Amino acid sequence: EAQVTQNPRYLITVTGKKLTVTCSQNMNHEYMSWYRQDPGLGLRQIYYSMNVEVTDKGDVPEGYKVSRKEKRNFPLILESPSPNQTSLYFCASSMTSGRSEQYFGPGTRLTVT
Amino acid sequence: AQKVTQAQTEISVVEKEDVTLDCVYETRDTTYYLFWYKQPPSGELVFLIRRNSFDEQNEISGRYSWNFQKSTSSFNFTITASQVVDSAVYFCALSDSSGGSYIPTFGRGTSLIVHP
Repeated sequence: EAQVTQNPRYLITVTGKKLTVTCSQNMNHEYMSWYRQDPGLGLRQIYYSMNVEVTDKGDVPEGYKVSRKEKRNFPLILESPSPNQTSLYFCASSMTSGRSEQYFGPGTRLTVT
Repeated sequence: AQKVTQAQTEISVVEKEDVTLDCVYETRDTTYYLFWYKQPPSGELVFLIRRNSFDEQNEISGRYSWNFQKSTSSFNFTITASQVVDSAVYFCALSDSSGGSYIPTFGRGTSLIVHP
């Protein structure tokens, strides 16, 4: 089954404790991205990747890191989480950048206390 | 720069009513792509439709239809005879090459509540 998986689905952590949210897709898609969803603000892009070893900042990259060492994986790293990073996070992939429809993971609800 | 405006934050209707969700976009590109996604209460995001700027033909899929009008920079979504299962947040998105690559930008979403 074609899908995008994210782990964990729920995470409660404390300020400053490094964490990684994993994302994996099995569709051989070139393009992957991370979004955060906050009430009233819609989906805002954090980082995106056009292909392996190619990543770039989205609209709200501060406080986040990503890497794309393999085509299928695109982890999101919060080196020192802060409460303003409490949000719902989605990973997405598509065949070719923004010209194609995106397939989204199930979401990760992160709470930073 | 690109921008997507979904002016309707929340719409409430009674089952079987028709409802239109508005989407207005801004772009200077002649080639761009428009999308609609659905986010039901369960939280996942589901792709509904993709349109490129050269195809202004309206699309109908069952009770769903989309009206793309370049003259007004709008890509509106109509649900005919709404049902409770249509209750969801709907996002419109635009992708153009203003930044050198086609990167999608989402509107803030419209929450549709369909009452039985």
